[in-house]
Amino acid sequence: DVKVTQSSRYLVKRTGEKVFLECVQDMDHENMFWYRQDPGLGLRLIYFSYDVKMKEKGDIPEGYSVSREKKERFSLILESASTNQTSMYLCASRRQGGADTQYFGPGTRLTVL
Amino acid sequence: GESVGLHLPTLSVQEGDNSIINCAYSNSASDYFIWYKQESGKGPQFIIDIRSNMDKRQGQRVTVLLNKTVKHLSLQIAATQPGDSAVYFCAETGAWGKLQFGAGTQVVVTP
Repeated sequence: DVKVTQSSRYLVKRTGEKVFLECVQDMDHENMFWYRQDPGLGLRLIYFSYDVKMKEKGDIPEGYSVSREKKERFSLILESASTNQTSMYLCASRRQGGADTQYFGPGTRLTVL
Repeated sequence: GESVGLHLPTLSVQEGDNSIINCAYSNSASDYFIWYKQESGKGPQFIIDIRSNMDKRQGQRVTVLLNKTVKHLSLQIAATQPGDSAVYFCAETGAWGKLQFGAGTQVVVTP
């Protein structure tokens, strides 16, 4: 079974802090994704990576950056957290090529005070 | 821009009845569609998928129907159980496997 893990289930940070969200997958997937999920807005793509050291902006990249130094790990960075970044953050991974589904981690609920 | 949407935000279903969750999509170039289930406090879980060259696909208690003419996708759940209570998302794929999600439908199963 595919396993996608995220470093924290719940996180509370203060405005202006630098925040790191970590995601690890164990299936040697090439593609990895970061989403945020907000009530009534569904899942919105922040950034994705199609391979190691590669990254592409998603639909809402402002205020975020990412790092993919190893294939299994994809990090989301909030350089200076703001209250409007309070959200559920979901990581997903997918095998490159073909019609293959994305597999999601359990999510990190981030609260910025 | 392109979008994927759901007709009903909440669906209340009696236990044992069949559920039908609808989804409209607008990107006619999408070739792959997925249904996810998300239980409270968990990440989305893959349920079933369908390619654009198909119009129906069945899984265990679930069936997905695709009508490309009207750009409509539906998920049917047979004999709905309390464990089916969750938010259901449809999604369509784009370049690099990117998914475009709808806002979700909350399914509530009543005894």
